[in-house]
Amino acid sequence: GAGVSQSPRYKVAKRGQDVALRCDPISGHVSLFWYQQALGQGPEFLTYFQNEAQLDKSGLPSDRFFAERPEGSVSTLKIQRTQQEDSAVYLCASSLAQGEAFFGQGTRLTVV
Amino acid sequence: DAKTTQPPSMDCAEGRAANLPCNHSTISGNEYVYWYRQIHSQGPQYIIHGLKNNETNEMASLIITEDRKSSTLILPHATLRDTAVYYCIVRVGPGRRGGSNYKLTFGKGTLLTVNP
Repeated sequence: GAGVSQSPRYKVAKRGQDVALRCDPISGHVSLFWYQQALGQGPEFLTYFQNEAQLDKSGLPSDRFFAERPEGSVSTLKIQRTQQEDSAVYLCASSLAQGEAFFGQGTRLTVV
Repeated sequence: DAKTTQPPSMDCAEGRAANLPCNHSTISGNEYVYWYRQIHSQGPQYIIHGLKNNETNEMASLIITEDRKSSTLILPHATLRDTAVYYCIVRVGPGRRGGSNYKLTFGKGTLLTVNP
């Protein structure tokens, strides 16, 4: 596709359940970012990949959050043992090495 | 990255110019001013960026003061579809290597409501 694709668009998880969120970046984009957006707030940085290398994970809120991009293309954000405070929209963005970031529509996670 | 200050909300009449201000008094010499917007239920969308000169593209114009401590995003003829949260962000620009330097630090932005 022409843009960044994220799936699923909506996810409801029971507290304690593990979830996996997928991001398909724009073809050829070496940089990939994950952001978390709580209701009424701006997006907050979680982690950054350059190709398959995770160069910055300083924004991950706890060790329950894990991200990977094994082949330098598709990325997965995994949250283990979800908690209510994990409820948010998770946004993925990709860019060329020095270009502008293009965002997906996000995955809205609701933990009940 | 330098912090920015934006009004929480603004209103604009359809067809009129929308002028969105941003203060960034602690901006560094190598930092650019970027603007993104986020329409409801969508991801942020890049609008424009600049260093010190005024910039214009098909979406908007960016006016940066001479001391670079503030800027204004101008939507010349606002439409209902321009209703969104507008984020002003300062960060290192496209000429600087360093991977995660490209991460964006969003504030709460300005909710622009364009009224018919």
